[in-house]
Amino acid sequence: GQNIDQPTEMTATEGAIVQINCTYQTSGFNGLFWYQQHAGEAPTFLSYNVLDGLEEKGRFSSFLSRSKGYSYLLLKELQMKDSASYLCAVIDSNYQLIWGAGTKLIIKP
Amino acid sequence: NAGVTQTPKFQVLKTGQSMTLQCAQDMNHEYMSWYRQDPGMGLRLIHYSVGAGITDQGEVPNGYNVSRSTTEDFPLRLLSAAPSQTSVYFCASSYLETGLSGANVLTFGAGSRLTVL
Repeated sequence: GQNIDQPTEMTATEGAIVQINCTYQTSGFNGLFWYQQHAGEAPTFLSYNVLDGLEEKGRFSSFLSRSKGYSYLLLKELQMKDSASYLCAVIDSNYQLIWGAGTKLIIKP
Repeated sequence: NAGVTQTPKFQVLKTGQSMTLQCAQDMNHEYMSWYRQDPGMGLRLIHYSVGAGITDQGEVPNGYNVSRSTTEDFPLRLLSAAPSQTSVYFCASSYLETGLSGANVLTFGAGSRLTVL
């Protein structure tokens, strides 16, 4: 079966750095997305990785290792508004999106 | 730009009732889809469409119908609601890319919270 694993919940301090991991086992790989979802709102796009390595976009970076079936989202200089769920999703060989259950990130002052 | 518009935002139904969740997008996206989101689970695809007149089943299609008569609209119908259909429903659309492209980023509607008693 296809599976994406993320931690259920993480807590971090305002101003700090946090890394949210995502491991996947899918039938094929055609890219990986990270989305942010604030409570009661729609998911919004954060990043896309298809090649190995680090993609940096402001305070957020996303890393991919295809050989390890592993990605992480790195959030720097955490702000209270970063409190949200972070969803990892993989495009499989049939170009279907497989979603993880999401990681709820709690930021404390 | 309105993006993806979903209605209603909230709905309470009794078991056996029918209803339609509306979804419209103004971005000329070929691809449209419906997901349900339940606690502790990833988004699950119900139905999707790659263009007007074309629909297909996703992971959890039972109990739901869709149609795509225009590029803009993609309604989701519950013919006989069941308590197991209590969930938050999201409509999402994107350009249709079959290659290794990040262009097919999904734009989501605000969601419809459905409770079936």
